Amino acid sequence: AQKITQTQPGMFVQEKEAVTLDCTYDTSDQSYGLFWYKQPSSGEMIFLIYQGSYDEQNATEGRYSLNFQKARKSANLVISASQLGDSAMYFCAMREGQRTSGSRLTFGEGTQLTVNP
Amino acid sequence: DAGVIQSPRHEVTEMGQEVTLRCKPISGHDYLFWYRQTMMRGLELLIYFNNNVPIDDSGMPEDRFSAKMPNASFSTLKIQPSEPRDSAVYFCASSPGRTQYFGPGTRLLVL
Repeated sequence: AQKITQTQPGMFVQEKEAVTLDCTYDTSDQSYGLFWYKQPSSGEMIFLIYQGSYDEQNATEGRYSLNFQKARKSANLVISASQLGDSAMYFCAMREGQRTSGSRLTFGEGTQLTVNP
Repeated sequence: DAGVIQSPRHEVTEMGQEVTLRCKPISGHDYLFWYRQTMMRGLELLIYFNNNVPIDDSGMPEDRFSAKMPNASFSTLKIQPSEPRDSAVYFCASSPGRTQYFGPGTRLLVL
C-alpha cells in the first residue's frame, strides 16, 4: 500500500493566489514526521516545511503552511500569494519512527505546480 | 554555508563501465543518504549511513551497487558494471537528525 499519496499530478494557480497541494499518508506509528520538498526544473530538492506528529500547531514557514489533520492522516501544503518562481514539482514525504531518528523518508509521487501570470 | 556537494553533476557512460558518484555532506551532519530518482519509480532510498556506518541498505537494487563512507566528510556510490536501466538522477542527502538536505544530484546516463 502507498504510504504517501499525492492525488494531484498537476495543479494550476494564478499568480498571487493561494493554492493547496494535497498529501495523505498511512502509518501505524504514533511518532512520525511529515515533510514537503520543492523540486524546480533545475532538479535540486529544496526542503520547505516540517510537521511532527506531536506538534499541536500547524507548521508555517513564510508563505508555506502545512494543514495537518491527524485524524484524517492528511498533511496538505498551502502556498499563499503564489509567485512565478513557485512553479515546480512538490513532494510530500514521511519519516516513521522516533522523533530524532534520521531514518528513511518515503516520498509521494509529486504534484507539478504551474503558476500562471 | 556550503550545502551537500555531489560530483560529477553529469555522467555519460557506456554499459559495462564502472561509475563512481561522490558526495560531501554538510559538516556536522551524522546521517548520509543516497537516493535514486526515475520517472517510473520516483524517489527511492538506496542506502543510508549514521556516523559512517551503513544502517539500511535494503534499497540497493543488486550487487552491482555498493556504497562506502570512509569518513564523515565523504561517501561514494559505485555501480559496477553499469547498465542502461541505471540511468537516473542520484541524490545524496545529509541530516543532523530530522531534516534531510539534498545535494544537486548527479544525472547518470548509461548508453
